Amino acid sequence: DAGITQSPRHKVTETGTPVTLRCHQTENHRYMYWYRQDPGHGLRLIHYSYGVKDTDKGEVSDGYSVSRSKTEDFLLTLESATSSQTSVYFCAISGVGHTGGTEAFFGQGTRLTVV
Amino acid sequence: GESVGLHLPTLSVQEGDNSIINCAYSNSASDYFIWYKQESGKGPQFIIDIRSNMDKRQGQRVTVLLNKTVKHLSLQIAATQPGDSAVYFCADWSDGGNQFYFGTGTSLTVIP
Repeated sequence: DAGITQSPRHKVTETGTPVTLRCHQTENHRYMYWYRQDPGHGLRLIHYSYGVKDTDKGEVSDGYSVSRSKTEDFLLTLESATSSQTSVYFCAISGVGHTGGTEAFFGQGTRLTVV
Repeated sequence: GESVGLHLPTLSVQEGDNSIINCAYSNSASDYFIWYKQESGKGPQFIIDIRSNMDKRQGQRVTVLLNKTVKHLSLQIAATQPGDSAVYFCADWSDGGNQFYFGTGTSLTVIP
């Protein structure tokens, strides 16, 4: 398995509370991604990073923020959790080969429930 | 990426038969494609990839075919086994986009 660790693996939180999910990699890959996966929607990109302190929004970024202060860590923060953010969150990493993108490796996921 | 549907397409095959899973993408600038397998409760796992300068690539029991003319990708699994039961989805990447686009996936069930 690629060296990706997500923490926590499961979390239940109350509406309105802030939540931070952590993704840690040991592969020194340039790109890191946060996705959410919901029934009928597949994987949807929340935010991604293409380097330390370089981040950009994905298609479902509202209500989420990210930070990448080190190559190995990519944090996803829900500023004020809502029930619509109940989901399974996946972190992924990928490098850039000499011919462009390379495969993305995924973490095991974090199941977040907002009550 | 693919258009998003409300229901996950399903495919049931007999053990030992070949499976074909299809994927359509919309971005003509996509130049790199991946097939993933996701088992229940786990993260997606890389199966096989193909670049846009190829139309076919083979792995162990799997073959990916790329038809850029109609923007179509397929995954063929030979001699399907019960352990192949999972959700399969494709992803595409374009160098100008810096990100992958994923389809909603196909749920494969292998009947023993």
